[in-house]
Amino acid sequence: AQSVSQHNHHVILSEAASLELGCNYSYGGTVNLFWYVQYPGQHLQLLLKYFSGDPLVKGIKGFEAEFIKSKFSFNLRKPSVQWSDTAEYFCAVNLSGGYNKLIFGAGTRLAVHP
Amino acid sequence: DAGITQSPRHKVTETGTPVTLRCHQTENHRYMYWYRQDPGHGLRLIHYSYGVKDTDKGEVSDGYSVSRSKTEDFLLTLESATSSQTSVYFCAISEGGRINTQYFGPGTRLTVL
Repeated sequence: AQSVSQHNHHVILSEAASLELGCNYSYGGTVNLFWYVQYPGQHLQLLLKYFSGDPLVKGIKGFEAEFIKSKFSFNLRKPSVQWSDTAEYFCAVNLSGGYNKLIFGAGTRLAVHP
Repeated sequence: DAGITQSPRHKVTETGTPVTLRCHQTENHRYMYWYRQDPGHGLRLIHYSYGVKDTDKGEVSDGYSVSRSKTEDFLLTLESATSSQTSVYFCAISEGGRINTQYFGPGTRLTVL
């Protein structure tokens, strides 16, 4: 069965530190990849997505992610985090075509201290 | 934000009672989904719909049923609620086809005592 692994469950950083959150998936076919963010008490919001083309995708709020097909990875990065980035981050995969069902990772809770 | 509303937003109920959650969209999207969110599990798909009266099971469908009689509404029913169904429930929609990004509603927090 397809699965998504997020390696870090909790990450604590100071403001201005760099961020990298890992995401690996298990599926050999064509995939679409997503990162969603959930701020405390809110619903999930799309941060960025990859469908095809340039494997380095840029999203909102200075986030970017790189798709490395050979490693089945889609890691999220931000060069300098802010306190307002405190949230839970979810990586998700859906198989190209079909009914667009998403498979989510377990999430990474990020706490940024001033 | 996508035009998705969920009702109720919070509900406390007792074991054995039926519960229905409603998802309403104003985007006229074809696909609708119900997920549950639990700590350590991320979001897991319960049921989804690919059109009016067209629904199918997700990975955690036991104990849940759904109905979609109109494009804009997708109902999730817990026939006889159990404590293991205490969770936050999110509805999502997508346009489908090449543009298959899912957009999420505000969620319903359900507590089963």
